[in-house]
Amino acid sequence: EIVLTQSPATLSLSPGERATLSCRASRSLYNYLAWYQQKPGQAPRLLISDTSRRAPGIPARFSGSGSGTDFTLTISSLEPEDFAVYYCQQRSDWRPIFTFGPGTKVDL
Amino acid sequence: EVQLVESGGGLVKPGGSLRLSCAASGFTFSSYTLNWVRQAPGKGLEWVSSISSSSDYIYYAESVEGRFTISRDNAQNSLSLHMNSLRAEDTAVYYCARDCGGDCYSLDYWGQGTRVTVSS
Repeated sequence: EIVLTQSPATLSLSPGERATLSCRASRSLYNYLAWYQQKPGQAPRLLISDTSRRAPGIPARFSGSGSGTDFTLTISSLEPEDFAVYYCQQRSDWRPIFTFGPGTKVDL
Repeated sequence: EVQLVESGGGLVKPGGSLRLSCAASGFTFSSYTLNWVRQAPGKGLEWVSSISSSSDYIYYAESVEGRFTISRDNAQNSLSLHMNSLRAEDTAVYYCARDCGGDCYSLDYWGQGTRVTVSS
């Protein structure tokens, strides 16, 4: 079973700053990594699939990169609405079983 | 517009049962694998179960295997989760979520969630 770890647990930044969130897998994922944003009281929202593909409607300031076991979500310039918790997620390559990382909180 | 609307949550005693439902609209329901994902209070996301488009393939997390049953009705565009032998640790918001399919390997639409509380 693949385990995902995210760092840092909390990222304290200001609007306009760049945010770099890390997700590390216990073994190679072959690019099947996604990122979600969740705000308090709301359902998660898909931001990035397949490591770097932005979901429809997601602003260009969100980008994903990485390969193998190390992946990054970058928010180029934080907007006030970007302060939230971000989760990475992987799916088994041969069956629909999903694993989530513990999350990174981006706060002011 | 894709919509997923969960219902059926509530307060139940340990050992009790509950049935959650998810009503879908805005897409061809019978073409997609669907999932339940839960989130305990103040905690992260935990995948619970998935069911393929024709119900041929069903998977469960180890934490719920043997106690929960996922099912779907493609004629009614609905997804269900029957939960038996509930424990305090099953307390969570339960979301239904659509597997985007193909080479997407992620969950592209989520419902707003329904809260389940297991307590005496």
